[in-house]
Amino acid sequence: EIVMTQSPATLSVSPGERATLSCRASQSVSSNLAWYQQKPGQAPRLLIYGASTRVTGIPARFSGSGSGTEFTLTISSLQSEDFAVYYCQQYNNWPPLTFGGGTKVEIK
Amino acid sequence: EVQLLESGGGLVQPGGSLRLSCAASGFTSSSYVMSWVRQAPGKGLEWVSTISGSGDRTYYADSVKGRFTISRDNSKNTQYLQMNSLRAEDTAVYYCAKRWPGYYSPFDHWGQGTLVTVSS
Repeated sequence: EIVMTQSPATLSVSPGERATLSCRASQSVSSNLAWYQQKPGQAPRLLIYGASTRVTGIPARFSGSGSGTEFTLTISSLQSEDFAVYYCQQYNNWPPLTFGGGTKVEIK
Repeated sequence: EVQLLESGGGLVQPGGSLRLSCAASGFTSSSYVMSWVRQAPGKGLEWVSTISGSGDRTYYADSVKGRFTISRDNSKNTQYLQMNSLRAEDTAVYYCAKRWPGYYSPFDHWGQGTLVTVSS
């Protein structure tokens, strides 16, 4: 099983600032990595797939990078609607499909 | 517009059974891989099960293998999750999620979830 580890668990950021979220895989997942955003009481929403491809309609302030075992989600200038929990997920080697534990981005 | 609507959640006693349904619209479900993902209260996301577009291949997390059964009826654009021998640790919001065809694909659409509570 591929273990996904996200850091930090909580990130306190002021609106307008940059947020950098990390995700590490226990073994290579190539570029088969996705990022999801989840707000309280809502289902997750796909933001990024293929490590760096934004889903249609996702603002350009969201960007993903990395390959192999190290990945980053960057939110260039945080807006109020971006405060949420973010999960990474690998789909390179399954079953099982595995998620990271999440990073909560909160208002500083 | 793609929509996934789960139903069937509720309160069940330990050892009991429940069947969840997920009705899909806005796409031809037989062309897509479908899955269930759950989230325990205050916790992260956990993949539960996946079924191929034709329904001939199924996959399960070790935590539910032998207790849960995924199935689909493409004539009704609906997938199901039969949950037997339920345990307290199965308490979670269960999400239906769609994946693109093929092995390498993320969950591109999610339902709103249905809550399953296992308690006496």
